[in-house]
Amino acid sequence: DADVTQTPRNRITKTGKRIMLECSQTKGHDRMYWYRQDPGLGLRLIYYSFDVKDINKGEISDGYSVSRQAQAKFSLSLESAIPNQTALYFCATSVAGGYNEQFFGPGTRLTVL
Amino acid sequence: KQEVTQIPAALSVPEGENLVLNCSFTDSAIYNLQWFRQDPGKGLTSLLLIQSSQREQTSGRLNASLDKSSGRSTLYIAASQPGDSATYLCAVGGSNYQLIWGAGTKLIIKP
Repeated sequence: DADVTQTPRNRITKTGKRIMLECSQTKGHDRMYWYRQDPGLGLRLIYYSFDVKDINKGEISDGYSVSRQAQAKFSLSLESAIPNQTALYFCATSVAGGYNEQFFGPGTRLTVL
Repeated sequence: KQEVTQIPAALSVPEGENLVLNCSFTDSAIYNLQWFRQDPGKGLTSLLLIQSSQREQTSGRLNASLDKSSGRSTLYIAASQPGDSATYLCAVGGSNYQLIWGAGTKLIIKP
């Protein structure tokens, strides 16, 4: 079984709808991250969480919110989706302390019409 | 602001060749550098992690080097195989434990 899972894998929605993307991990890592990837661009950090009570904004947090329900679960919400949020979204995890290797989920492809 | 560049954006080579992928960054004050492989529908897989104090890391047919002073890293792939076809991404560890990413090099190995 995959260590980092994301649901759904694909989602098509309409402008103005609220969308939640979910991430679960069985690696026992404290840190979790949400990134988005646009064609021709590198990944950009949306939010990151170092533990359940520590949530931080990344480079492009506007229009997004997150919830860290447990050590193993980190959800990303789009309160009112817009077409330029169409992208590939990745969740990642890492152990605590310093700069450590990040492990990624398979991604969620989101299309906002 | 740290910027990470990968050139070329795409590369096609015959099977069996040795090849080098490039990654450059503008701020030498990095904590580490990671190389990832991205396969469609399968997410990203970490290939090699080089800490700022290291010069290179090796894993099988892969060797990654880091030269902080010149702002460059290379990923060397020996004896390329069709299964190596993927997009290769580099990311540097910056402040607040964040990764700054390049846009990737799409590699195609022709049988």
